[in-house]
Amino acid sequence: GEDVEQSLFLSVREGDSSVINCTYTDSSSTYLYWYKQEPGAGLQLLTYIFSNMDMKQDQRLTVLLNKKDKHLSLRIADTQTGDSAIYFCADQLMNRDDKIIFGKGTRLHILP
Amino acid sequence: DTGVSQDPRHKITKRGQNVTFRCDPISEHNRLYWYRQTLGQGPEFLTYFQNEAQLEKSRLLSDRFSAERPKGSFSTLEIQRTEQGDSAMYLCASSNTGPGNTIYFGEGSWLTVV
Repeated sequence: GEDVEQSLFLSVREGDSSVINCTYTDSSSTYLYWYKQEPGAGLQLLTYIFSNMDMKQDQRLTVLLNKKDKHLSLRIADTQTGDSAIYFCADQLMNRDDKIIFGKGTRLHILP
Repeated sequence: DTGVSQDPRHKITKRGQNVTFRCDPISEHNRLYWYRQTLGQGPEFLTYFQNEAQLEKSRLLSDRFSAERPKGSFSTLEIQRTEQGDSAMYLCASSNTGPGNTIYFGEGSWLTVV
């Protein structure tokens, strides 16, 4: 079946790096996404990685993809208070007409 | 390009009333998706369209829910005889078909059923 799993909570000190992990089950993934959601707001697309890539870096964000283990991670360098949000991992399924399925989200809490 | 827009952004309705949400996708996108998000959960797929054809409906979409995309552009999601359990954020997204096409989400429409 199709499933995306992520830990529900992460607490990090301001200035440290945050690493949010995600695992997925489907083999037909095309893109894998990271979305950010602040309280009361919609989904903000942070970054995405094509399934034939291992790594993508975009300013403070680094995405690592281990396709063999079906493991995706998002690293946020120099975590700031504005990074406090829920982060959703999402998997786009080529064999399901590119439908996206989401994990339940990881709430990132920033400690002073 | 103004992105995916949804209307209304917030709706409070009494139980038993009907509500309708509208989504305007990015203009050149032929795929349109509806998702629902409840508190503490990730977005859950409801249905999607390719042009005007509705291609898949989730089991989450009960008979009280209907979605249309009559001209292959904007879409509406109607909920009849609303129940308190329908309270959620309803998200719309759009994309083009084919490899290399990412999905873009709107800001969502919040529904509160009282």
